[in-house]
Amino acid sequence: EAGVTQFPSHSVIEKGQTVTLRCDPISGHDNLYWYRRVMGKEIKFLLHFVKESKQDESGMPNNRFLAERTGGTYSTLKVQPAELEDSGVYFCASSQSGKGNQPQHFGDGTRLSIL
Amino acid sequence: AQSVTQPDIHITVSEGASLELRCNYSYGATPYLFWYVQSPGQGLQLLLKYFSGDTLVQGIKGFEAEFKRSQSSFNLRKPSVHWSDAAEYFCAVGAGGTSYGKLTFGQGTILTVHP
Repeated sequence: EAGVTQFPSHSVIEKGQTVTLRCDPISGHDNLYWYRRVMGKEIKFLLHFVKESKQDESGMPNNRFLAERTGGTYSTLKVQPAELEDSGVYFCASSQSGKGNQPQHFGDGTRLSIL
Repeated sequence: AQSVTQPDIHITVSEGASLELRCNYSYGATPYLFWYVQSPGQGLQLLLKYFSGDTLVQGIKGFEAEFKRSQSSFNLRKPSVHWSDAAEYFCAVGAGGTSYGKLTFGQGTILTVHP
C-alpha cells in the first residue's frame, strides 16, 4: 500500500510569489489533513477534509492560504502571496473514516522556504 | 482547548539504556492519545495509540506507553534503546466533536543515543 505522498519535497520561493503544495493521500482514505511546523515551534493543525468537504479549517492562518480537494482525492494547498513567516514544513496526513479514532498517516512533508 | 506538554526538549541516553519520554495533556474528556516518531528527512511514523481499554499499550519497535488519567500523562517507554531510535518524538492528543480530526502536538523531544 502506497503511503501519503507530498510534492514537492522542497520549495524555495521569493516573498510575494505563489506556491502550490500537493498531497496524495492513501487510497480510500476519506480524511485528509494539513499541518505545519514552523522552525522551533510545535506541529500545528491547519485544516481537515472529509472527502471533498472542509470539516474544520480553524487552523488556517489567513486568507493567503487556500486548500482544495476536488473530487475527494488529492489535495492542494496554495499560498498566495507568500510571506516570510510562511516558511516551515507542511505535512499532509490521511486516515480512514471514523470520528477521531483512526490513526493519521503522515507524508514526508514539504519544506517551504520563503526568501 | 486541548494542549500537550513534552517537558524534555532534548534527551541523551546510552545505547542499551532504558528510556522514558514524558507527555502531559490537557483535555476535558477521555482523549485519543498518540506517539509519533520522526527520523531525519522523513515524515511522522505512528508508534502507538490509546483510545480506550487497557491503559498500557504496546507499539512498534519495542515501545510502550501508559495512560494515567489521574496524572494526565501518557509517557513513552522502551527498556533498551538502540542507536536507530535516535529521532524526534511527538506526543499528540486527538479532539472530539466537530473537530474530531484535529491533532494537537507537543513540542517534540529529540532523542540522541550514544554508543
